[in-house]
Amino acid sequence: DTEVTQTPKHLVMGMTNKKSLKCEQHMGHRAMYWYKQKAKKPPELMFVYSYEKLSINESVPSRFSPECPNSSLLNLHLHALQPEDSALYLCASRHSAGGQNEQFFGPGTRLTVL
Amino acid sequence: KNQVEQSPQSLIILEGKNCTLQCNYTVSPFSNLRWYKQDTGRGPVSLTIMTFSENTKSNGRYTATLDADTKQSSLHITASQLSDSASYICVVRGGYSTLTFGKGTMLLVSP
Repeated sequence: DTEVTQTPKHLVMGMTNKKSLKCEQHMGHRAMYWYKQKAKKPPELMFVYSYEKLSINESVPSRFSPECPNSSLLNLHLHALQPEDSALYLCASRHSAGGQNEQFFGPGTRLTVL
Repeated sequence: KNQVEQSPQSLIILEGKNCTLQCNYTVSPFSNLRWYKQDTGRGPVSLTIMTFSENTKSNGRYTATLDADTKQSSLHITASQLSDSASYICVVRGGYSTLTFGKGTMLLVSP
């Protein structure tokens, strides 16, 4: 299994909703990432988990809450989002956070906030 | 400041033709450079990854070059196909867990 999976593929939510994005990999990777990508822009790093511990938080608003329950799963909990948070949310994983190893991206979740 | 600049911003070519995309970077320290293909609304898919000592790497119809002295890379696509229509993103890895993304080149292959 050499892929990163993300669910759901699409999500529409209101500003008062609470929802979660899920990411899963079974490649034994110990570094996992959340990115946000707006249309026609490159991905922007949000969070990095290394060995299930949050190692980088790129000053992301608290309405985004990451969680890494185990080495294969990464969640992004969403609460009280704003319309400008609408974007493609990408998960990625690597064997480890350092070194030359490849970073694999998931297919993304297209989030629309109404 | 670490930066990755790509050109052209967009490109339209006829099916079957070749094209070359450019990437200039100022990332330091340099670890590796990757080219990704991203279809609209999908996650990026890796095409090639090159380290400091590599100056050419091929993956099917894709050939990437790297000149670490001038900090330039190119991605050459041979005999383009309609399915090559996508955004091509140059990404440079610098220090620990640091990736610097280019803004991408949007390629449209026209029949």
